Amino acid sequence: AQSVAQPEDQVKVAEGNPLTVKCTYSVSGNPYLFWYVQYPNRGLQFLLKYITGDNLVKGSYGFEAEFNKSQTSFHLKKPSALVSDSALYFCAVRAVRYGGSQGNLIFGKGTKLSVKP
Amino acid sequence: EAGVAQSPRYKIIEKRQSVAFWCNPISGHATLYWYQQILGQGPKLLIQFQNNGVVDDSQLPKDRFSAERLKGVDSTLKIQPAKLEDSAVYLCASSSQPGAQETQYFGPGTRLLVL
Repeated sequence: AQSVAQPEDQVKVAEGNPLTVKCTYSVSGNPYLFWYVQYPNRGLQFLLKYITGDNLVKGSYGFEAEFNKSQTSFHLKKPSALVSDSALYFCAVRAVRYGGSQGNLIFGKGTKLSVKP
Repeated sequence: EAGVAQSPRYKIIEKRQSVAFWCNPISGHATLYWYQQILGQGPKLLIQFQNNGVVDDSQLPKDRFSAERLKGVDSTLKIQPAKLEDSAVYLCASSSQPGAQETQYFGPGTRLLVL
């Protein structure tokens, strides 16, 4: 069965410092990986996705994520955090099974990012 | 382009009452999803539609939950009767075409509190 783990409930960083939000996954086929952000009382907003190719994926608002197959990880990163980045971040995975059929999108439990001025 | 619209934004009901949520996807998006997000957890898929047909409803508690998308555009999700554990945010998402690479776009959600 496929699953996603976000090992940190909360990440705190100072504004201007780099940030990392961790995500590891478990799938039986090839993984398609996604990051979404959720602001208070808002729906999820798409940040970026990894499909294939370059392991470093660039997304919205200066975020990027690095796919590491050997470590089954897809950590979200940003070189310089902003106070406005404070939100709830969700990692999600969809497995493509051998034969091409797709699985559902499975979300992690989320990581709260707090950026202090 | 307009995003996914949902209403109502908030709903408070008593247990055993019924409730309905409405979703209007992004124009032209054939695939529509309903998710349940319990506080402190990630969204969990309830049902997926492709046009007006159900693709996956394996995680929908069919004894109390129902959903329809009669004309392949708007969708409604109903709970009858509601239980305390149904308190959650119900998210609607849509995508232009199904597939492993698809990006799902989410609405603001309906926050349900069952007392």
